[in-house]
Amino acid sequence: NAGVTQTPKFQVLKTGQSMTLQCAQDMNHEYMSWYRQDPGMGLRLIHYSVGAGITDQGEVPNGYNVSRSTTEDFPLRLLSAAPSQTSVYFCASSYSSLTNTEAFFGQGTRLTVV
Amino acid sequence: DAKTTQPTSMDCAEGRAANLPCNHSTISGNEYVYWYRQIHSQGPQYIIHGLKNNETNEMASLIITEDRKSSTLILPHATLRDTAVYYCIGGLGAGGTSYGKLTFGQGTILTVHP
Repeated sequence: NAGVTQTPKFQVLKTGQSMTLQCAQDMNHEYMSWYRQDPGMGLRLIHYSVGAGITDQGEVPNGYNVSRSTTEDFPLRLLSAAPSQTSVYFCASSYSSLTNTEAFFGQGTRLTVV
Repeated sequence: DAKTTQPTSMDCAEGRAANLPCNHSTISGNEYVYWYRQIHSQGPQYIIHGLKNNETNEMASLIITEDRKSSTLILPHATLRDTAVYYCIGGLGAGGTSYGKLTFGQGTILTVHP
């Protein structure tokens, strides 16, 4: 059982380049979300999705786009990378339950923008 | 979502119980308290959650005060592998209304020493 898989694990971009961070889950979870974590900080929510075709913004959405065409995949696109987007990015998924919304996280993508 | 307050750091001797406090005085009646931990910049890992009753699982125990304004995560026999940042997250709605979103604070850095 793979859980939540993020690719790539590491990436270096030049300012202005675009790229897509991939996230896939094999648990048939309805909910998926993207977070970024800056050094010494907690995670901050970028975008989230409650199902295929439905996405919404989180706390820090500027500079990022998402789409959810399937239940399994939730890619995060950086449109024009900036040094301020240097961070560790985590994808998470969870299922809807009356009593438990435990989230499962991927291992992260470490992005450096130079 | 309820605001949570945790100590910045704590130490614990290996084999002893680690008691991590969390204040969530603004939590409302139907909101749960979740605990996650993050080991060495890996993706966060779910530990335990509760509403009003004390809870125990294979990883930890959660003690919630009767007024629900605070809680304590207990690792009964801490090991070196329990060294991590521990996050107390309050305010997740029951019934999936949080849509999988998590609001992370700074957390408590727990260091377990030999």
